[in-house]
Amino acid sequence: GAGVSQSPSNKVTEKGKDVELRCDPISGHTALYWYRQSLGQGLEFLIYFQGNSAPDKSGLPSDRFSAERTGGSVSTLTIQRTQQEDSAVYLCASSLASPLYEQYFGPGTRLTVT
Amino acid sequence: GQNIDQPTEMTATEGAIVQINCTYQTSGFNGLFWYQQHAGEAPTFLSYNVLDGLEEKGRFSSFLSRSKGYSYLLLKELQMKDSASYLCAVRDSNYQLIWGAGTKLIIKP
Repeated sequence: GAGVSQSPSNKVTEKGKDVELRCDPISGHTALYWYRQSLGQGLEFLIYFQGNSAPDKSGLPSDRFSAERTGGSVSTLTIQRTQQEDSAVYLCASSLASPLYEQYFGPGTRLTVT
Repeated sequence: GQNIDQPTEMTATEGAIVQINCTYQTSGFNGLFWYQQHAGEAPTFLSYNVLDGLEEKGRFSSFLSRSKGYSYLLLKELQMKDSASYLCAVRDSNYQLIWGAGTKLIIKP
């Protein structure tokens, strides 16, 4: 079956512009995660959605970052007024139910802020 | 604070065995994961340990000692395709995954 998909695969934007990153999780997976990975670094947790519960936003680095998940499926991560330090690969992952299950990752979106 | 430590880079020879270590200090423990990440690709799940001991899965094995806050990933009969980064992640008391920076494994012929 289809895995986690993300779009776009690459995004180059100018400093100060807003960007939207999209994630389509695996069908039936109720848990969805957003991570950020800078070059040579580990994964930095951003936000976690579980079903209809309020999302865990504890990892969002600033109020310029927001995310939503519509209909319990597709999720969009929005970064407003992008800064050069936002440049990274943004990874989305999904899993069955809760964090008890292994996560399946999408291919990521490479964001470059010039 | 919470911390996951792994070596930054390791080099090994095709056909040999390599052990990648991971030590952790986290607020609680609810399992440890190893993921493989090829350059430019997404991480893929390799193994999961929640009890002490060795879990074997083909050429890959993962060991856990909760009392020592220590795990290792053992790769046998190394192949060139094993060149990748190996990420250690620990699930803490809030069931949140804390990720290490990864170990880049270079396989030489």
